[in-house]
Amino acid sequence: NAGVTQTPKFRILKIGQSMTLQCTQDMNHNYMYWYRQDPGMGLKLIYYSVGAGITDKGEVPNGYNVSRSTTEDFPLRLELAAPSQTSVYFCASRRETGTSYEQYFGPGTRLTVT
Amino acid sequence: GDSVTQMEGPVTLSEEAFLTINCTYTATGYPSLFWYVQYPGEGLQLLLKATKADDKGSNKGFEATYRKETTSFHLEKGSVQVSDSAVYFCALSDEGGSEKLVFGKGTKLTVNP
Repeated sequence: NAGVTQTPKFRILKIGQSMTLQCTQDMNHNYMYWYRQDPGMGLKLIYYSVGAGITDKGEVPNGYNVSRSTTEDFPLRLELAAPSQTSVYFCASRRETGTSYEQYFGPGTRLTVT
Repeated sequence: GDSVTQMEGPVTLSEEAFLTINCTYTATGYPSLFWYVQYPGEGLQLLLKATKADDKGSNKGFEATYRKETTSFHLEKGSVQVSDSAVYFCALSDEGGSEKLVFGKGTKLTVNP
């Protein structure tokens, strides 16, 4: 299993450009998440999905959009990039083990908006 | 809302020293508690977890006990190694259907030989 994969690893955007961060998991997990990690801060939840066709906002959704057409894929879209969106983005999926819930993380995408 | 507070870093130790990273939480109900580790340039990996009061999670020599009376989940290791250098995140999951994780800000640990 590859686990959770993310592309690209690095990207530099100009203000106002748009892009899609890709996330794919091969563990057949229903739950998937997008986080951003700013320097010296913990992870903040942007959007999450509990299954194909179902998405919901997290703590910091403004400026982002998501879709979930398949169980495997959960892309994150930035429509009008702003410097405040400079961050490292992590995708995760959730495993259920009895009553505990473990999230598996991808390696991250480092985005710089200038 | 739910929140996690962990000790400020960075923490610098010599090899074989004892490690404690404090973590306290605020939550309604009975969350599950986690420690994640992030090695340089990588994503987060689950280090250990505990799902109910008095549970002890352990892995790779690290331990943490779920203390409901003090709302704490402190991470400990008796003898750290250089390879333990990383950022450690304490987190909790709520009891709602989405099981979202709430993270602390992270504590950077550097272990010197």
